[in-house]
Amino acid sequence: AQSVAQPEDQVNVAEGNPLTVKCTYSVSGNPYLFWYVQYPNRGLQFLLKYITGDNLVKGSYGFEAEFNKSQTSFHLKKPSALVSDSALYFCAVRDNHRGNTPLVFGKGTRLSVIA
Amino acid sequence: DAEITQSPRHKITETGRQVTLACHQTWNHNNMFWYRQDLGHGLRLIHYSYGVQDTNKGEVSDGYSVSRSNTEDLPLTLESAASSQTSVYFCASSEGSPHSNQPQHFGDGTRLSIL
Repeated sequence: AQSVAQPEDQVNVAEGNPLTVKCTYSVSGNPYLFWYVQYPNRGLQFLLKYITGDNLVKGSYGFEAEFNKSQTSFHLKKPSALVSDSALYFCAVRDNHRGNTPLVFGKGTRLSVIA
Repeated sequence: DAEITQSPRHKITETGRQVTLACHQTWNHNNMFWYRQDLGHGLRLIHYSYGVQDTNKGEVSDGYSVSRSNTEDLPLTLESAASSQTSVYFCASSEGSPHSNQPQHFGDGTRLSIL
């Protein structure tokens, strides 16, 4: 079965500091991994994805994520946090060995950036 | 611009009533999805469709149904609403085949309260 875990419900960081939002996954084949962000009263917005290739993936709004196969992780990072980055972040995974199965989402991590 | 629209944005109804939530996308995407979002559970898949006349059950499909008679619409029906179905519902769409890894585009959600 495919699954994804976001071990932190809440992450607090000071503005200007680097941020990391953690994600680990479990699949039987190779993973396809995604990060989405949700602002209040809005739907999820796509940030970035890893399919194959370079382990460091760059996405929207200065975010990047590092795929680590040995640790089965795909942590979201940003070098310098902004107050406007405060939102709910979701990691999602799909197993490429499972045919047409859709994405599985984590439970989300709330990021608060403090001025 | 292409978009995905959910209606209504808010609805209050009584237990036992039938409720239908609308989802309409103008991207001409093959793939459409319905999720519910609840505190502590993140995003859970209810039903999904990979094309006209195709529907599939997701993780939490009991008490819900969908039909796909055209590319643009995937209405979600609660046959007999229960208080446990009080939630925020999101519709999403993505292009390409089920194997493709194109990101999902989300609507802004319907907040449903069942009294």
